[in-house]
Amino acid sequence: DTAVSQTPKYLVTQMGNDKSIKCEQNLGHDTMYWYKQDSKKFLKIMFSYNNKELIINETVPNRFSPKSPDKAHLNLHINSLELGDSAVYFCASTRQGSYEQYFGPGTRLTVT
Amino acid sequence: DAKTTQPPSMDCAEGRAANLPCNHSTISGNEYVYWYRQIHSQGPQYIIHGLKNNETNEMASLIITEDRKSSTLILPHATLRDTAVYYCIVRNFGNEKLTFGTGTRLTIIP
Repeated sequence: DTAVSQTPKYLVTQMGNDKSIKCEQNLGHDTMYWYKQDSKKFLKIMFSYNNKELIINETVPNRFSPKSPDKAHLNLHINSLELGDSAVYFCASTRQGSYEQYFGPGTRLTVT
Repeated sequence: DAKTTQPPSMDCAEGRAANLPCNHSTISGNEYVYWYRQIHSQGPQYIIHGLKNNETNEMASLIITEDRKSSTLILPHATLRDTAVYYCIVRNFGNEKLTFGTGTRLTIIP
């Protein structure tokens, strides 16, 4: 059983397009995250949601808009895609008070 | 969160113990030491964490020095599947963020 899943796994699109990445967790966790890993492999947190409420926003451009329809889902919508948005995006989740974050398999976004 | 320093890369022979060091000299009293790893093209995976006592689980052991300024992750019998980038992270328990550094790229040699 997949704990944290992301779709799509690969996404190739052109500059200026709008795209969404979806994340779902079946662990019953109440906190979910989006991380970005760039071409130099630096992994940085972008957003955190707890019980559908935004609690961390790490100075990410407002072209990025996370949406949490329920506790099990956290989607990432990106408007007006730029070349610099090319990266691997990881979703993660955790139970509040837990030490461990569970990561999804990643979505490799390529903007041409 | 305190900053951590790790060697950029290490090699270890298959079947031997892999010892990965981490310096965190500015760690504060309520900050935990966490270890995650990232196998190529996968999401990071939690390994172990500790506050001041040594810890062991099915994956690894964590040795924290008495002054808590450094720690060592030990993989007791390394296999080829342990080849990955290992991240040492210091985090306040109440802080939701994980701040990843550059990690140590561990290569297990057959």
